[in-house]
Amino acid sequence: DGGITQSPKYLFRKEGQNVTLSCEQNLNHDAMYWYRQDPGQGLRLIYYSQIVNDFQKGDIAEGYSVSREKKESFPLTVTSAQKNPTAFYLCATGGDRGQYNSPLHFGNGTRLTVT
Amino acid sequence: QKEVEQDPGPLSVPEGAIVSLNCTYSNSAFQYFMWYRQYSRKGPELLMYTYSSGNKEDGRFTAQVDKSSKYISLFIRDSQPSDSATYLCAMSKAAGNKLTFGGGTRVLVKP
Repeated sequence: DGGITQSPKYLFRKEGQNVTLSCEQNLNHDAMYWYRQDPGQGLRLIYYSQIVNDFQKGDIAEGYSVSREKKESFPLTVTSAQKNPTAFYLCATGGDRGQYNSPLHFGNGTRLTVT
Repeated sequence: QKEVEQDPGPLSVPEGAIVSLNCTYSNSAFQYFMWYRQYSRKGPELLMYTYSSGNKEDGRFTAQVDKSSKYISLFIRDSQPSDSATYLCAMSKAAGNKLTFGGGTRVLVKP
């Protein structure tokens, strides 16, 4: 069953704790992305990676970190430095590096609640 | 001012009606335009993908792009209750794969 798997679906953490969100894909896509979705604000890009061992900051990278050690995996860590971490986090993959404008495919998200 | 503007709705229509959605944008560099559908607590799924100006039809869905007016539209014919969802427009420039999203329009199709 091909696709993008995000886990867990719901995550609860206390303020001040770091938390890591998982994203795994078996679509053989080079590019992977993390977005944050807040009500009424659409999706905002946190980090993206177009190839293994390389990644770039998106529009709202502060308080987040990522790694890309394997093509299939792109975990996102929400650190205690992120001021408003409660949100719906979406992982996406895109086409090969040569297909810069291929559309994105999304996982089903992780809803993070920090209290 | 946001780069991509989209009315948040909700847009409520009776079953069988035509749903009309639109987005306006300010950056003339956008070349690729997409519409995504998102059900509650799910990730967005791609509905339509178009390049530059023109129309594209796929079943009950029609996407229109008017680059001169910086305006894109999505029409859903013969709407069904299962079309009730949030619809997101997205666009990207000629190079790179970074998408800029609208805020989404919530659509309710009533039986």
